[in-house]
Amino acid sequence: AQTVTQSQPEMSVQEAETVTLSCTYDTSESDYYLFWYKQPPSRQMILVIRQEAYKQQNATENRFSVNFQKAAKSFSLKISDSQLGDAAMYFCAYKGRDDKIIFGKGTRLHILP
Amino acid sequence: KAGVTQTPRYLIKTRGQQVTLSCSPISGHRSVSWYQQTPGQGLQFLFEYFSETQRNKGNFPGRFSGRQFSNSRSEMNVSTLELGDSALYLCASSLAGQGAGTGELFFGEGSRLTVL
Repeated sequence: AQTVTQSQPEMSVQEAETVTLSCTYDTSESDYYLFWYKQPPSRQMILVIRQEAYKQQNATENRFSVNFQKAAKSFSLKISDSQLGDAAMYFCAYKGRDDKIIFGKGTRLHILP
Repeated sequence: KAGVTQTPRYLIKTRGQQVTLSCSPISGHRSVSWYQQTPGQGLQFLFEYFSETQRNKGNFPGRFSGRQFSNSRSEMNVSTLELGDSALYLCASSLAGQGAGTGELFFGEGSRLTVL
């Protein structure tokens, strides 16, 4: 079965600085999707960024980018120019052939003013 | 367009009782997935319904069940509540199901269940 591991339960970063959240996953499949979701304190989860495994180019959405290392099964999220509104729980997620979306346990990100 | 709506937002039950949670997906979305969120375990997949049929199921006991109606609204039921069932229950909808396209999920704000 596929698993998603986020090894950093909590992280802090100074406002305007850059932070990287780590995620590793375990799978025997070659085609899959990876996601980062953000859950602000109001609790409604939203999609931050998506990566298709067959694409070698790392996905980017404004200040958010990923470092996708397929061989290492690593999928980290980099947030540049951190803002107070980035404070949230961040979940890494995997979607494989069985169509279930599996989430990691999350990383709580604090932004220090 | 209205988002995913979950009711009730908060509820308190006692052990042994049962509870029913409701989820109205985004208009036009046919798939509804349910997740249990706890501080120690993150999000755990309960089940997914698409066009009134359960398409996928997580590793939860039979006390957890769900259904989907013809208008895509979904309910989940937990019977014989246990203390460990205290959690935030999240519902997520998608246009064509987790297996279609990119699989992006649109989440509701959740139902916070406390079992005493």
